[in-house]
Amino acid sequence: GAVVSQHPSWVICKSGTSVKIECRSLDFQATTMFWYRQFPKQSLMLMATSNEGSKATYEQGVEKDKFLINHASLTLSTLTVTSAHPEDSSFYICSAVRGTPVPQYFGPGTRLLVL
Amino acid sequence: ELKVEQNPLFLSMQEGKNYTIYCNYSTTSDRLYWYRQDPGKSLESLFVLLSNGAVKQEGRLMASLDTKARLSTLHITAAVHDLSATYFCAVDKTSGSRLTFGEGTQLTVNP
Repeated sequence: GAVVSQHPSWVICKSGTSVKIECRSLDFQATTMFWYRQFPKQSLMLMATSNEGSKATYEQGVEKDKFLINHASLTLSTLTVTSAHPEDSSFYICSAVRGTPVPQYFGPGTRLLVL
Repeated sequence: ELKVEQNPLFLSMQEGKNYTIYCNYSTTSDRLYWYRQDPGKSLESLFVLLSNGAVKQEGRLMASLDTKARLSTLHITAAVHDLSATYFCAVDKTSGSRLTFGEGTQLTVNP
């Protein structure tokens, strides 16, 4: 149990376009979902915390208008990178919390390349 | 601000040897997590340590937590090549809340 999926697993897009990434908890209802970004050879940096039915909480330095997060249900959160630029190229990973006290379950990640 | 520091950041060891990865964190927390990441992959949960003195073992890996010292260790016994990966520790201030990750320790086990 506790499987988290992401779609797509990788995406290549042109600069200026928008990209939507989905994060789904497949076999449980997630009270909270998190979005992380990881650059090569670096650690994970939290971008935002997402709770179903409420606005996401963004970390300092993360642009709300650029990284749109929608948590439509207890099993689905989406991250939209708007007007993507090459510096947005990264590995985006979501995680979901099923309850406490358990670890966050991580999705397989989405690799974004902006040309 | 919660800070989590790991050392070493890079570890190259021979098969059969033992070694320990250290994780220090800067604020009070009773929960510490260890994750493994293989190249190009996401994170796999290894251990959840929930109280002072907690010790957990899985195969050749053993993790412990000292909340008073704000220190966790991940001990590797008789390393094998399959353990080559990057290991992250992470801390959250309250259960189910945001995680703060260490920098990661890139482990390479050589034949």
